[in-house]
Amino acid sequence: QQQVKQSPQSLIVQKGGISIINCAYENTAFDYFPWYQQFPGKGPALLIAIRPDVSEKKEGRFTISFNKSAKQFSLHIMDSQPGDSATYFCAASVQTGANNLFFGTGTRLTVIP
Amino acid sequence: NAGVMQNPRHLVRRRGQEARLRCSPVKGHSHVYWYRQLPEEGLKFMVYLQKENIIDESGMPKERFSAEFPKEGPSILRIQQVVRGDSAAYFCASSSANSGNTIYFGEGSWLTVV
Repeated sequence: QQQVKQSPQSLIVQKGGISIINCAYENTAFDYFPWYQQFPGKGPALLIAIRPDVSEKKEGRFTISFNKSAKQFSLHIMDSQPGDSATYFCAASVQTGANNLFFGTGTRLTVIP
Repeated sequence: NAGVMQNPRHLVRRRGQEARLRCSPVKGHSHVYWYRQLPEEGLKFMVYLQKENIIDESGMPKERFSAEFPKEGPSILRIQQVVRGDSAAYFCASSSANSGNTIYFGEGSWLTVV
């Protein structure tokens, strides 16, 4: 059972455009929602994370939007660059107890010059 | 990746052999997690350990897989009698009691079973 559903599976964006990746979850106990960036042959690197007490968090060109009632959250990459080309994973976990993250299936982003 | 060290980075095993993957967490981190990533898929949680204790192994296959995190030394993920379906990237991650939910991943160990 996929605890976190992610879409799209792949995304092609023009340089300078906005990349949007969406995730949805069912478990209302989740209270931590990170996004990870993974380059080929590398491990996932934490990009940005949000907790459900805020609806938006911005760090540089990366923004997470969070909709608690809809149980959805999304990653927006503004002014997308070819160097942003990577696979992006959303994830969710429960703050108390085991910290194990449940990951989405990933979105392969390609930013074309 | 915040200092989580995994080795070997690449490992080739024949069917039926054993694979041992090692993970040294970020210095000072006492929580270790193992995840498996199959080609073109997301990461799947396998096991969560603290020093000398398995906290959650709900993602571990019931047979052939085991993990430990001894008082001294790295965490070990052990796969006995490997089969082709075990071919995957295995990622270790660590966190500290003070880092909240922030989990840092290593670069992974790529296991190929031939």
